[in-house]
Amino acid sequence: AQSVTQLDSHVSVSEGTPVLLRCNYSSSYSPSLFWYVQHPNKGLQLLLKYTSAATLVKGINGFEAEFKKSETSFHLTKPSAHMSDAAEYFCVVSPPSGGYQKVTFGTGTKLQVIP
Amino acid sequence: KAGVTQTPRYLIKTRGQQVTLSCSPISGHRSVSWYQQTPGQGLQFLFEYFSETQRNKGNFPGRFSGRQFSNSRSEMNVSTLELGDSALYLCASSQSLGGAYTGELFFGEGSRLTVL
Repeated sequence: AQSVTQLDSHVSVSEGTPVLLRCNYSSSYSPSLFWYVQHPNKGLQLLLKYTSAATLVKGINGFEAEFKKSETSFHLTKPSAHMSDAAEYFCVVSPPSGGYQKVTFGTGTKLQVIP
Repeated sequence: KAGVTQTPRYLIKTRGQQVTLSCSPISGHRSVSWYQQTPGQGLQFLFEYFSETQRNKGNFPGRFSGRQFSNSRSEMNVSTLELGDSALYLCASSQSLGGAYTGELFFGEGSRLTVL
């Protein structure tokens, strides 16, 4: 069984300040974890993924996330927010490669960037 | 390489009608999954197809159905439309190497259905 919790439904930051989007997961196995971004009226785009290699994962557009097994967390960060980062972000958990179950999406965090 | 293509992008239907949505996956991807996205319920998994077989299904009524063709293109159908079916329907494809799920999904831009 698996689940994912995004701790904030909305986050607001000023342009140029750091971004932190929080995600906790629960899994009975060692999961794969992903962050996706969705801009308005668009599909989801993969930002980064963790698949049991390095615990600090770097993604596109300056985003990174750290897998912390002891805290069952996979928080998304960015040192300096840009206006173009305003979007909805989804944390996703899935079983490791080799087996299929449906992926589990978090409820999403809407990021607002204030000029 | 072309991305995932969904058609139509927008459509308006009335209650009781039926609708068919189409999804063309990335070339070489054999797994196609469908999701419903609404403001109230978020992203919900509908079903997933691999090699023309439905491998997994979410908790939706039988009015929601799908199929996959031999070229991996997929369609989903919703019959007897209800107001609550208004949503963005997203399709995603995955490489699914050797039938195993690789985890990374590539999404189309979605089909926005409005039911009046």
